Amino acid sequence: QQQVKQSPQSLIVQKGGISIINCAYENTAFDYFPWYQQFPGKGPALLIAIRPDVSEKKEGRFTISFNKSAKQFSLHIMDSQPGDSATYFCAGYSNTGKLIFGQGTTLQVKP
Amino acid sequence: DTAVSQTPKYLVTQMGNDKSIKCEQNLGHDTMYWYKQDSKKFLKIMFSYNNKELIINETVPNRFSPKSPDKAHLNLHINSLELGDSAVYFCASSQGHSNQPQHFGDGTRLSIL
Repeated sequence: QQQVKQSPQSLIVQKGGISIINCAYENTAFDYFPWYQQFPGKGPALLIAIRPDVSEKKEGRFTISFNKSAKQFSLHIMDSQPGDSATYFCAGYSNTGKLIFGQGTTLQVKP
Repeated sequence: DTAVSQTPKYLVTQMGNDKSIKCEQNLGHDTMYWYKQDSKKFLKIMFSYNNKELIINETVPNRFSPKSPDKAHLNLHINSLELGDSAVYFCASSQGHSNQPQHFGDGTRLSIL
């Protein structure tokens, strides 16, 4: 199976709060897991990525936590800001070279 | 300078028409892609070219035909447009075709009347 399941579909967080988006995958051959951020009218932009031999990766306010045994990974946005309001996609790279996206999470950060 | 540029940004046309979308990247990448994003924002790979060679061809209708004249360009031609083709089409590029960051254009919104 080449699916990536993402939740929640939408998320509302107060400014300064923590936003958490979860993803689960089925294909154990996935070996690269990027997160993309998309603003309205724009294309997805790479935010942060992780490989399965690492359990956590942090870049500024963005952290990926990875649980290989559970086949789950999540994005944490610390100190969420209104400028973070966007749609976030998790993804997995399959062994056939395809980038398989999750369904997307629309994040709204309220001032 | 825009890294991955698509034209046109908007395309409104009648059912049954034929249309093309153009994509160019100035990143020096050797791999280019076409994705379709539906009304629920779901992104799905359609095609991928590496060094002008087709390497991914998902189960899309054969009304869709990609063409890569060189490594920096990947165009998408669609014949006999149908209502279900309405979507946003994204072009992307990467260096290498596995486990590499992909850079996306800003999309072409196709609306079929």
